[in-house]
Amino acid sequence: NAGVTQTPKFRILKIGQSMTLQCAQDMNHNYMYWYRQDPGMGLKLIYYSVGAGITDKGEVPNGYNVSRSTTEDFPLRLELAAPSQTSVYFCATRGYGASSYNEQFFGPGTRLTVL
Amino acid sequence: SQKIEQNSEALNIQEGKTATLTCNYTNYSPAYLQWYRQDPGRGPVFLLLIRENEKEKRKERLKVTFDTTLKQSLFHITASQPADSATYLCALGGDSNYQLIWGAGTKLIIKP
Repeated sequence: NAGVTQTPKFRILKIGQSMTLQCAQDMNHNYMYWYRQDPGMGLKLIYYSVGAGITDKGEVPNGYNVSRSTTEDFPLRLELAAPSQTSVYFCATRGYGASSYNEQFFGPGTRLTVL
Repeated sequence: SQKIEQNSEALNIQEGKTATLTCNYTNYSPAYLQWYRQDPGRGPVFLLLIRENEKEKRKERLKVTFDTTLKQSLFHITASQPADSATYLCALGGDSNYQLIWGAGTKLIIKP
């Protein structure tokens, strides 16, 4: 099992360009998350999804969009990239079980630079 | 607003000693707390979970304590090894939501 995969690993964008960060999981988890991690800062939640067709904003959603058409995929769309979006982006999943305290599983991250 | 504080400075520990990392929080009453390990260039990996009604949890060389009165969790690594060098993140969760609130992490360096 691949777990949580993210593509690309690295990307450099020019200001105003758009791109989609891909996230896929083969763990059959309902919950999926997108975070950004800036140096010296905690993970900030951008968007999350509790299942196919259901998404919701996190703490820092401005400048981003998501969709969840299948259980497996949760792409993150950046429109009109800005230097403030330079960061490392992590996708994570969480299973739904008897406990709502289940841990999150993370992908390897995408390092994005906007120049 | 909710706030989590972890030591921002790196913690340098001699191999074989016990490393202790701190996670303090304010303006929040978490139902549970999780600790993750993050290596450079990689995503966080879950280590331990402790619930609000638990005082201590252990897993091999790892021990976590949770004091809801002090609003603090301590994370201990006993008999530390250079391979334990990484950044350790704490995260708080509530009973009725799907989200975690994350600390910025503490970088741990174990010197041979």
